Amino acid sequence: DAGVIQSPRHEVTEMGQEVTLRCKPISGHNSLFWYRQTMMRGLELLIYFNNNVPIDDSGMPEDRFSAKMPNASFSTLKIQPSEPRDSAVYFCASNPGQGDNSPLHFGNGTRLTVT
Amino acid sequence: AQKITQTQPGMFVQEKEAVTLDCTYDTSDQSYGLFWYKQPSSGEMIFLIYQGSYDEQNATEGRYSLNFQKARKSANLVISASQLGDSAMYFCAMREPIESGNEKLTFGTGTRLTIIP
Repeated sequence: DAGVIQSPRHEVTEMGQEVTLRCKPISGHNSLFWYRQTMMRGLELLIYFNNNVPIDDSGMPEDRFSAKMPNASFSTLKIQPSEPRDSAVYFCASNPGQGDNSPLHFGNGTRLTVT
Repeated sequence: AQKITQTQPGMFVQEKEAVTLDCTYDTSDQSYGLFWYKQPSSGEMIFLIYQGSYDEQNATEGRYSLNFQKARKSANLVISASQLGDSAMYFCAMREPIESGNEKLTFGTGTRLTIIP
């Protein structure tokens, strides 16, 4: 299994530009999570999908952030317009969604820098 | 209020010694799960060990064990015979139900462990 695949690995963009981060979860996993990691705030859950349906988006910072999961094998996190304070590492993670002891499997993350 | 508290921002430990990383949690649920993840300098998040709230035995995985004290709401990670490769950030996390059978995983702020040769 290839694991959770995120792209791009690094993204550098100018303030005001649209940024789209992509994630392919592990095949067969029903739950998908987007996390953001910064030095100041640590790992924050942004949004969580179960069977492609958004369950909890209370962590999405503001309307500039949106996430979609059009099918079981693909999700996007979009920031429009981007701001320097959005600079962070964005992780996508998935798990089977069954049983209490199934851990989250993380992708390698996308390091976003907004100048 | 913090759901997961890791009070040690950083630790230095001599190689081959055992090390305990502290984690306390706050929940009113009876059913929950506790996880530890390792994040080396390369950035990936590596799952280490899991403890369920109803598990009576402390979880163990190789050199990792979890000292679970339910009444104290603590889930400390113990690494035996530490190695240079153990140098990394370590995160404690708790899975708790939110609604409709769904769950969320909340992370602590992490502990940076440095193994000294």
